Amino acid sequence: GAVVSQHPSWVICKSGTSVKIECRSLDFQATTMFWYRQFPKQSLMLMATSNEGSKATYEQGVEKDKFLINHASLTLSTLTVTSAHPEDSSFYICSALEVYNEQFFGPGTRLTVL
Amino acid sequence: SQELEQSPQSLIVQEGKNLTINCTSSKTLYGLYWYKQKYGEGLIFLMMLQKGGEEKSHEKITAKLDEKKQQSSLHITASQPSHAGIYLCGADYNTNAGKSTFGDGTTLTVKP
Repeated sequence: GAVVSQHPSWVICKSGTSVKIECRSLDFQATTMFWYRQFPKQSLMLMATSNEGSKATYEQGVEKDKFLINHASLTLSTLTVTSAHPEDSSFYICSALEVYNEQFFGPGTRLTVL
Repeated sequence: SQELEQSPQSLIVQEGKNLTINCTSSKTLYGLYWYKQKYGEGLIFLMMLQKGGEEKSHEKITAKLDEKKQQSSLHITASQPSHAGIYLCGADYNTNAGKSTFGDGTTLTVKP
């Protein structure tokens, strides 16, 4: 099946710094990617839809200025958590849609903000 | 209320026992997905159901989607410790959107 990678797999940063997470579709092109966030013992919550060549669509309650999404190419979307704070600590998962609309998930990135 | 509800929230079974996890949608589904996850790790795709009445099996796991396409069940036969984890159902409501809404998950513990 199709493979989606994320980098880094985990990151620890100081409060106030920005962190960039990459999501790559390794063997297929994805015009659409999604970013999810998951807190411990909770389900995945969709944050935004990332569309190649256009602005991301954010879900209600997600601050677009805080979570910057850039879908620069058909195989790469990035999520930048700006001015991160401890409450942003979470597990971030991306997914990518392949041509038949099947969704493939990345392995996730664990962010810890000190 | 949530669009997608899963039950039970957690489940503890003895190894070898059968179990069922349910996923109920407040509206008709376009597609229903079942995933397994351990927190802090990625999702493992189990099965996708799209047609009313559809049933799929993989090894000891069977998933069904009802005729109305609003309710799905995941059944594990003769559970093993390797089945332990978090099971998530995900739903697509729009044929073109592709994005998924997830249930809250069911944490399964299998006692040896």
